Amino acid sequence: GDSVTQMEGPVTLSEEAFLTINCTYTATGYPSLFWYVQYPGEGLQLLLKATKADDKGSNKGFEATYRKETTSFHLEKGSVQVSDSAVYFCALIAMDSSYKLIFGSGTRLLVRP
Amino acid sequence: DSGVTQTPKHLITATGQRVTLRCSPRSGDLSVYWYQQSLDQGLQFLIQYYNGEERAKGNILERFSAQQFPDLHSELNLSSLELGDSALYFCASSVAQQVVWAGLTEGGGYTFGSGTRLTVV
Repeated sequence: GDSVTQMEGPVTLSEEAFLTINCTYTATGYPSLFWYVQYPGEGLQLLLKATKADDKGSNKGFEATYRKETTSFHLEKGSVQVSDSAVYFCALIAMDSSYKLIFGSGTRLLVRP
Repeated sequence: DSGVTQTPKHLITATGQRVTLRCSPRSGDLSVYWYQQSLDQGLQFLIQYYNGEERAKGNILERFSAQQFPDLHSELNLSSLELGDSALYFCASSVAQQVVWAGLTEGGGYTFGSGTRLTVV
């Protein structure tokens, strides 16, 4: 079945460092892809999305490009801030009648001043 | 406020007990999805309702059940609770599914509540 694999965390960076969180997926067809963020004590918020191959999603300085050839959707940010400390989830929409989101295991990011 | 309301925010109960978690979807959304987030299992899909009918089941235990009422709010019932059921339970709602699939909606089409943290002692 469809699945998402994320790099394990935690990822610890200093402020202003470059961030990459790897995400690869397995799916039949070309599902929409998402990055969600969960700040401490809160629910999930959509960070960005891409709906077809070569689409680039971007928001708040974060970017991810839908790569069909490598079935990847890596999250990047050029300069992280302490306020970016959170758990990041890569997800796809299941290509069945449920259209449920299937999530990766999440990657915790800790940014130090 | 995301528009999806979950109550209660926190729940502490003893093993063997039964609890009900409630979710009110965003206005106009017909689908409700329930997810369980535990430390070792990540975010696991439990069950989906669409306009009052069960649409899909995931890794939901037989001790758990859910329903969606005519006003579209949903309840997740957890019974014979065990220590391992301690987790954060999220619900999410979405717009009409074909629109979600096409990725045409703003915000990805899914809105999550802030969750109910269940602690079984």
